[in-house]
Amino acid sequence: GNSVTQMEGPVTLSEEAFLTINCTYTATGYPSLFWYVQYPGEGLQLLLKATKADDKGSNKGFEATYRKETTSFHLEKGSVQVSDSAVYFCALKAAGNKLTFGGGTRVLVKP
Amino acid sequence: ETGVTQTPRHLVMGMTNKKSLKCEQHLGHNAMYWYKQSAKKPLELMFVYSLEERVENNSVPSRFSPECPNSSHLFLHLHTLQPEDSALYLCASSEVGDIMGEKLFFGSGTQLSVL
Repeated sequence: GNSVTQMEGPVTLSEEAFLTINCTYTATGYPSLFWYVQYPGEGLQLLLKATKADDKGSNKGFEATYRKETTSFHLEKGSVQVSDSAVYFCALKAAGNKLTFGGGTRVLVKP
Repeated sequence: ETGVTQTPRHLVMGMTNKKSLKCEQHLGHNAMYWYKQSAKKPLELMFVYSLEERVENNSVPSRFSPECPNSSHLFLHLHTLQPEDSALYLCASSEVGDIMGEKLFFGSGTQLSVL
């Protein structure tokens, strides 16, 4: 079956540091890949997505590249802010299936 | 009004109680979802409704009973729950034609504690 594995966290870092959250997946076929973000006290919202190999999704300074050879979709941001503190969820959607989410990674950015 | 509104935000109930969670979306979507978010576990899809008809039920125990009276409202009726049912319950909706839930809009959730 389809599955998503991401680093557990929490990830604690200082403002302006570089952030990487690893995500790997197992899926049949060629899934679309997503990152969702959940800010404190809010529901999840779509951050970015990529629909085919080598695509790069980007939004709000975050980037992730669809790597088919390593079945990965790592999230990166070059300089984080306190407002980036949230839980980040990696997800995939294979053809004919619903979204499958990873367990989420909590990120805490300190001033 | 925000896009997807859930009430109550917090709920504490005993194992013999009956309660209901409510979700309302103001986005004109035609599909709605219930997810369960437990600590350190992936989000679990519980139910999917499309055009007010249930299209998916992921082996959820019968103590959880969904209801979708119209495309804007979704309920989750709870009865005789167990402590392991304590979790954050998230409602989501998606746009017309996106029944596979590629881009979901989530509410803030109801934090449920079962004593």
